[in-house]
Amino acid sequence: GNSVTQMEGPVTLSEEAFLTINCTYTATGYPSLFWYVQYPGEGLQLLLKATKADDKGSNKGFEATYRKETTSFHLEKGSVQVSDSAVYFCALASGANSKLTFGKGITLSVRP
Amino acid sequence: DVKVTQSSRYLVKRTGEKVFLECVQDMDHENMFWYRQDPGLGLRLIYFSYDVKMKEKGDIPEGYSVSREKKERFSLILESASTNQTSMYLCASRINRVYTEAFFGQGTRLTVV
Repeated sequence: GNSVTQMEGPVTLSEEAFLTINCTYTATGYPSLFWYVQYPGEGLQLLLKATKADDKGSNKGFEATYRKETTSFHLEKGSVQVSDSAVYFCALASGANSKLTFGKGITLSVRP
Repeated sequence: DVKVTQSSRYLVKRTGEKVFLECVQDMDHENMFWYRQDPGLGLRLIYFSYDVKMKEKGDIPEGYSVSREKKERFSLILESASTNQTSMYLCASRINRVYTEAFFGQGTRLTVV
């Protein structure tokens, strides 16, 4: 079956530091890949997505590239802000009528 | 904008009660989901519905049932609430097309005492 593995957390960074959050996946076929973000007290919202190999999703300074050869979709940001403090989830979906499979999430805290 | 609305943000129920969590979406999405979120365990799928009156068990369906009588509404039912069902419950919807993302409600924090 499908699965998503995220690096262990939590992660604490200083403002303006570089961020990488690792995500690898196992799936049949050619899944779509997603990063979701959850701010305190809220539901999940889509941060970015990629639908085929070598696609790069980007939003709000975050980027992730769909790497089929390494089955990875790592999230990066060049300079984090305090407002980026949240929980980040990597997820995949393989097909139209399919569920989304999530990683366990990682908590990011950015200190001023 | 797609809107997914869950009926309650916070709920406190007693052990043994029958509990209904309601979710409504306004974008005519075919697929709807109920997830449970717990620290260290991430999101786990409870049930999935791909059309009206259609449902499929997720990874942790025990102790739960669902109802989808209308396309826009997907209800999660705890038949007899127990303390180990204290959790954050998240509803989501998704259009039935490849490459599309799911949209989430704001979550319901359920405490069973």
